Amino acid sequence: EIVLTQSPGTLSLSPGERATLSCRASQSVSSSYLAWYQQKPGQAPRLLIYGASSRATGIPDRFSGSGSGTDFTLTISRLEPEDFAVYYCQHYGSSTSFGPGTTVDIK
Amino acid sequence: QVQLQESGPGLVKPSETLSLNCTVSGYSISSGYYWGYIRQPPGKGLEWIGSIFQSGSTYHNPSLKSRVTTSVDTSKNQFSLKLSSVTAADTAVYYCARGPGPRGYFDYWGQGTLVTVSS
Repeated sequence: EIVLTQSPGTLSLSPGERATLSCRASQSVSSSYLAWYQQKPGQAPRLLIYGASSRATGIPDRFSGSGSGTDFTLTISRLEPEDFAVYYCQHYGSSTSFGPGTTVDIK
Repeated sequence: QVQLQESGPGLVKPSETLSLNCTVSGYSISSGYYWGYIRQPPGKGLEWIGSIFQSGSTYHNPSLKSRVTTSVDTSKNQFSLKLSSVTAADTAVYYCARGPGPRGYFDYWGQGTLVTVSS
């Protein structure tokens, strides 16, 4: 069973700043089957990235994903006010689970 | 535009069975994709419950497998979840969602429905 760890737990930043979120897997994630979601209070998660680096339909290009093996990163190049939310990573394939989340809040 | 909507009781008694339906609009379940359920206890993270294909093939989280039943009704464009022998630990927001694989990511989600387990 692959366990995902996300860091930091909370990231306090200002609009316009760059956000770097980490997702680390306890074992190598095959074929870079790693997705990222954004969730705002009272809303369902929204798919941002799949396949570690492919943006989902309609996702702005300020969101980018990278990584392979056990280390993955979600980068938001310049934070917009609507980007303050919780972000989850998910590995998928032969099994699936989600990470515990990183909260990006306003500094 | 693909839309999913969960429906079912918001309150279930301990030891009973939780039952939810998910109605899909804007896309025919028969056209493909996998259809899943994910839950989120209040203030906590996400847990995949299981997924089903149009053919009826099912894939469930091993930690819940013995209590989970999923089914699909293509004539109604709906799929369903039953979770038996519930306890307070099953209190959560339950989401239905669409994905390209049996244990894959999810690209369209319902708004979610809170199910509370309490006597």
